[in-house]
Formats: sequence, C-alpha cells, structure tokens
Amino acid sequence: GAVVSQHPSRVICKSGTSVKIECRSLDFQATTMFWYRQFPKKSLMLMATSNEGSKATYEQGVEKDKFLINHASLTLSTLTVTSAHPEDSSFYICSADMGVIRLAKETQYFGPGTRLLVL
Amino acid sequence: AQTVTQSQPEMSVQEAETVTLSCTYDTSESDYYLFWYKQPPSRQMILVIRQEAYKQQNATENRFSVNFQKAAKSFSLKISDSQLGDAAMYFCAYRRVGTSGSRLTFGEGTQLTVNP
Repeated sequence: GAVVSQHPSRVICKSGTSVKIECRSLDFQATTMFWYRQFPKKSLMLMATSNEGSKATYEQGVEKDKFLINHASLTLSTLTVTSAHPEDSSFYICSADMGVIRLAKETQYFGPGTRLLVL
Repeated sequence: AQTVTQSQPEMSVQEAETVTLSCTYDTSESDYYLFWYKQPPSRQMILVIRQEAYKQQNATENRFSVNFQKAAKSFSLKISDSQLGDAAMYFCAYRRVGTSGSRLTFGEGTQLTVNP
C-alpha cells in the first residue's frame, strides 16, 4: 500500500523559534497533500491543501504567515511553524493522495503525525 | 457544505462480540466516497474500509462491513468478532468524486473500547 512518512515524529522547541515538519510520499507521487491539526480526543482539523508547484490553499482562520507550506516536489511537502508559541503545541498530521481520480479510489494516505510541544 | 455526524462519542464491546458504529452525512452530491478510518493510541490514521456511493453493494473487509443506506445518508460500520486490537478512535469521512485533491470531511469520532 501507499506509505507516507513524517519527520520528525516529535519535537520540543522554545517559544519564538521556527519548526519545520516534512511529509513524504515514499512509493507514489502525490499531486496533493493535506495538513491537519488534531487536539487530544478530537477530530482532524484541515489546515491547508498543498498542491505541487503552486501556493497552498489555507482554511479559514489558519494564519498563512504562521504556518508556511511548501510543496516543492511530487513527493515532499513541508509545514513550517514560524515563531512558535505554546498555543501552537498540537499533533500535526499530513496526508497525500495520488491525484488519479477513480483509480486511487479517492483515498488519502496519512503520515504517522508529528507531536509539537512549544515551551 | 457537506457534514458528517457521528452521534456516539464512546462505545464499548466485549471481546468476540459485534459492535456497530453509526455515521450520517449530508450532501447534495450524487457521487462520492465514504470511508472509515481507525486511529489507535499510536495516532496513525489507518483506512478500515471505503464505499463508493454509486455501488449498491455494501463494502466488506474481513471482520469489518458497512451498512450503506444512500437515501437515508447513513453509513454504519459493523465490527464482528471484536478483538482487543480494534480498540481505537474511529472516524467516518466523506469525499467528493470528480475533483482531484478534494478534501475529506470527518465526523467527530467514536472512541471504541474492547473489554476482555
């Protein structure tokens, strides 16, 4: 099956620093990747949709200058949390799809997530 | 806008028994996909089963099956012969067909406990 990796799996940083999270599709090309945020015992909240070679589309209420997304290749998208603050502490998950309608049965494949703690 | 509702925040089942998780959704589309994802304590999202709306036959994957009622916009998940490893948060999700890169709309989740 399709595999998506995320790195790092967990990160602790000081307030005011920036943190980069990588999302890679290991055995397929992902034309679209998605970034989610999840609070404990809650559902996934879509932050942005990332298309290779173009600007990400952010959901309402998500600060694009704080959460920088880059989708430079068909296998890699990055989320950078800039000037992180304690309220940015959360679990961040990426997903990817193959962008082939019907053949991939519209299935998104998820990375294992990144736990961010901002002190 | 599409919405997905899971009305059972928590469910429990005895090992080896059967449990059904409920999901309803709202959409004006006629063609779409529905999914059940499992999120165990590791928090890795795992696809359990998917259903294409144009197919009348209910999807099955080993011990997992769905009851897809398109007119009622209902999509329940039945887990047979429950195992301890089935304990997880289960999310129902909807996705449109025909637009590459369309978003998944998730329900709020049902936390399933399996009692030995």
